[in-house]
Amino acid sequence: DIQMTQSPSTLSASVGDSVTITCRASQTISNYLAWYQQKPGKAPKLLIYKASNLESGVPSRFSGSASGTEFTLTISSLQPDDFATYYCQQYHNYFYTFGQGTKLEIK
Amino acid sequence: EVQLVESGGHLVQPGGSLRLSCAASGFTLSRYWMTWVRQAPGKGLEWVANIKEDGTEKYYVDSVKGRFTISRDNAKSSLYLQMNSLRAEDTAVYYCATLRGYSAYDCFDYWGQGTLVTVSS
Repeated sequence: DIQMTQSPSTLSASVGDSVTITCRASQTISNYLAWYQQKPGKAPKLLIYKASNLESGVPSRFSGSASGTEFTLTISSLQPDDFATYYCQQYHNYFYTFGQGTKLEIK
Repeated sequence: EVQLVESGGHLVQPGGSLRLSCAASGFTLSRYWMTWVRQAPGKGLEWVANIKEDGTEKYYVDSVKGRFTISRDNAKSSLYLQMNSLRAEDTAVYYCATLRGYSAYDCFDYWGQGTLVTVSS
């Protein structure tokens, strides 16, 4: 199985800050990497697909990048609505795996 | 508008069975791979199972192989998850979701609101 190691597990930031979340795959996944946002009691929401493609309707302050097996989600100019938990997911093969999640908290 | 509505989750004893349903509307179910993802209380997301558009291919996470069966009825716009021999560690919110493209190699773009399965005596 492909392991996804996500860091940090918790991140404290203020409105207006820029933050970066990292996800590392245990083997090559050819950029088949998605990022999701989840708020308490709600279903996950797709933000980014194929490592760097913004899903329709997602604000442009969200961006994704890739370098080998390391992937980053950057949120620039944090808004109050962005405080949530974020997950990466690989879909390089049928046995999709998620990162452990990063909880973005208000400082 | 795409909608996925799960149902069927409730309290069940260890060793018991449960069938979850996911009613789809606002799109043509038969054109998409579908999936079930679960989330144990306070934990992260775990993919459970996938099914091809026509139901001819199915894949499962190792921990549910032989116990869970994913199926679909495109005529009824519905997805199902039959869960047998349930264990305490199967306790979770179960989400159904669509795969974004027309392939199994894709992420999940539309999600239901989830249904809670609790396995406890």
